[in-house]
Amino acid sequence: QVQLQESGPGLVKPSETLSLTCAVCDDSISSDYNWGWIRQPPGKGLEWIGTVFHGGSTSYNPSLKSRVTISADTSKKQSSLKMSSVTAADTAVYYCARDVSAFDIWGQGTMVTVSS
Amino acid sequence: DTVMTQTPLSLSVTPGQPASISCKSGQSLLHSNGKTYLYWYLQKPGQSPQLLIYEVSSRFSGVPDRFSGSGSGTDFTLKISRVEAEDVGVYYCMQNTHFPRTFGQGTKVEIK
Repeated sequence: QVQLQESGPGLVKPSETLSLTCAVCDDSISSDYNWGWIRQPPGKGLEWIGTVFHGGSTSYNPSLKSRVTISADTSKKQSSLKMSSVTAADTAVYYCARDVSAFDIWGQGTMVTVSS
Repeated sequence: DTVMTQTPLSLSVTPGQPASISCKSGQSLLHSNGKTYLYWYLQKPGQSPQLLIYEVSSRFSGVPDRFSGSGSGTDFTLKISRVEAEDVGVYYCMQNTHFPRTFGQGTKVEIK
């Protein structure tokens, strides 16, 4: 059974870069999976941020593309999200999920607050 | 972006009664490959979203058969045949036919 665990700073200052990691815990090779990132502002709905595919290519939501980089390190079984120039509008719970077109397995999410 | 509109936004249901949530897309979700990439998720209070239905009507592993999905084109429906207390939460539809994938705004289901 695949399990995902997000981690990273819970507080980021405005204009700085948000950096999160998603650790993949499973008993099988994870290099064949695609990993997506989704966020949810407090009390609001879900927004797809982007996906890193098992071959290393990426796809980003155009609304965030200029500020986002998603990568995967299969040797470490983890995916990373970096979002630059953050503002208060980026305050949200950030989830990583296995992307099989549907997001079928989700991490528990990590809350990130952007504040000085 | 493809706008996904859910109705109602909230729903209060007596246990054992049916419930239905509508999801309408701004354009047809029928892909050129013949598939329709419409999904349903449930986010229980304090939890991550969980996949219920994929490709309109297929139940994900472990999802009770009281949940069913239907629809085509731009109109889709999630039905719960007999609501149970554990079904409370916010239900989201999501499309992945058109880039970027987008979610509905969510429908909150509570028990009367």
